[in-house]
Amino acid sequence: QVTLKESGPVLVKPTETLTLTCAVSGFSLNNETMGVSWIRQPPGKALEWLAHLFSNDRKSYSRPLKTRLSLSKDTSKSQVVLTMTNMDLVDTATYYCARGVVGRAYDIWGQGTMVTVSS
Amino acid sequence: DSQLTQSPSTLSASVGDRVTITCRASQNINNYLAWYQQKPGEAPRLLIYMASALESGVPSRFSGSGSGTEFSLTISSLQPDDFATYHCQQYNTYPWSFGQGTKVEIK
Repeated sequence: QVTLKESGPVLVKPTETLTLTCAVSGFSLNNETMGVSWIRQPPGKALEWLAHLFSNDRKSYSRPLKTRLSLSKDTSKSQVVLTMTNMDLVDTATYYCARGVVGRAYDIWGQGTMVTVSS
Repeated sequence: DSQLTQSPSTLSASVGDRVTITCRASQNINNYLAWYQQKPGEAPRLLIYMASALESGVPSRFSGSGSGTEFSLTISSLQPDDFATYHCQQYNTYPWSFGQGTKVEIK
């Protein structure tokens, strides 16, 4: 069974750095046909694509957020880590990780983790 | 970057209705278009990929069509479980992007 699960802080202060972890199971982060993305959704708003980690460790980032985002992976732990610097109130959202499969977009999503930015 | 515009933003319908949601891309996305269903408090669920391929386990009343820049999701006979928000997403080129969503409400 393929699963993804996000974890991280529920509350961060403005200007702080957010670190979120996506733990995956049921597939390998080295599978050439798959990758892991991060997507967020502010309360009541649309989904926003943030970043994608390919199996060969190549990364792609949202252009408006590129300077604030960083992706890494720990293959031995089957984890993908998203770092977002200089958090702001507008970054309050539910953050999802999802498996991207070549030709099939996001077939499996994590449950999401709600992050609130507040002083 | 490819931008997606969904319409309508909200749709009121009754059980049994046929409903159609459209998604327009700002450039040719070569049918790399997916549709998701999202219910409150839940993660999105993949319904359709490659514009018209039905994901395993998804009821056949859902169908996708279109090509190039114009796409649509149709629910042939709306069921109580279908009241939700629907999102389109392009995965032709990075950065991938989503439409703004269409909420299907009970009329």
